[in-house]
Amino acid sequence: DGGITQSPKYLFRKEGQNVTLSCEQNLNHDAMYWYRQDPGQGLRLIYYSQIVNDFQKGDIAEGYSVSREKKESFPLTVTSAQKNPTAFYLCASSIRLGVITDTQYFGPGTRLTVL
Amino acid sequence: GDSVTQMEGPVTLSEEAFLTINCTYTATGYPSLFWYVQYPGEGLQLLLKATKADDKGSNKGFEATYRKETTSFHLEKGSVQVSDSAVYFCALGGATNKLIFGTGTLLAVQP
Repeated sequence: DGGITQSPKYLFRKEGQNVTLSCEQNLNHDAMYWYRQDPGQGLRLIYYSQIVNDFQKGDIAEGYSVSREKKESFPLTVTSAQKNPTAFYLCASSIRLGVITDTQYFGPGTRLTVL
Repeated sequence: GDSVTQMEGPVTLSEEAFLTINCTYTATGYPSLFWYVQYPGEGLQLLLKATKADDKGSNKGFEATYRKETTSFHLEKGSVQVSDSAVYFCALGGATNKLIFGTGTLLAVQP
């Protein structure tokens, strides 16, 4: 079955450490996204990518970095510069970028806790 | 800029009650509108969508109609079940390269 996988489901990090969250999709989608979800808030866009080797900052990119070396993969690194990284992180993909009728499909999420 | 406003929760209903979750939007042009559902500890799943005015999206007994005159996309279900307990997000796909989400509405259905 096609879908989006994220790993790990739970991640614990000490302050000052970088950590990388994995996102893989086998939907053959060009566009991929990373969102952050905090309690009582909607989703906020961190980064998005239209195609391999291309990505753009979203609304809250500070303290995060991404890469898109393969179509299927879009890992997110939470760096030590991110002041409040504890949150639920969601990866999504869509067929194309910028087509407003296209649905975004979401992975199951990674819950990051900074100790 | 584009924005979505949805009713605050939690919404608590008894099983078989009628559900309405209000969603209004502000957008330039002609956006697409979506309802996503999030069950505890999981990612978001598309519930339904509508891509032009007067379209009705429907799925699993849920419905929402794209009303351009009132800039609304209210979610309704005639008879909720305990298994419908979740957080519901209204979202807008507009001129920017991203979805704009509301803050989510927690629905709790009691047996």
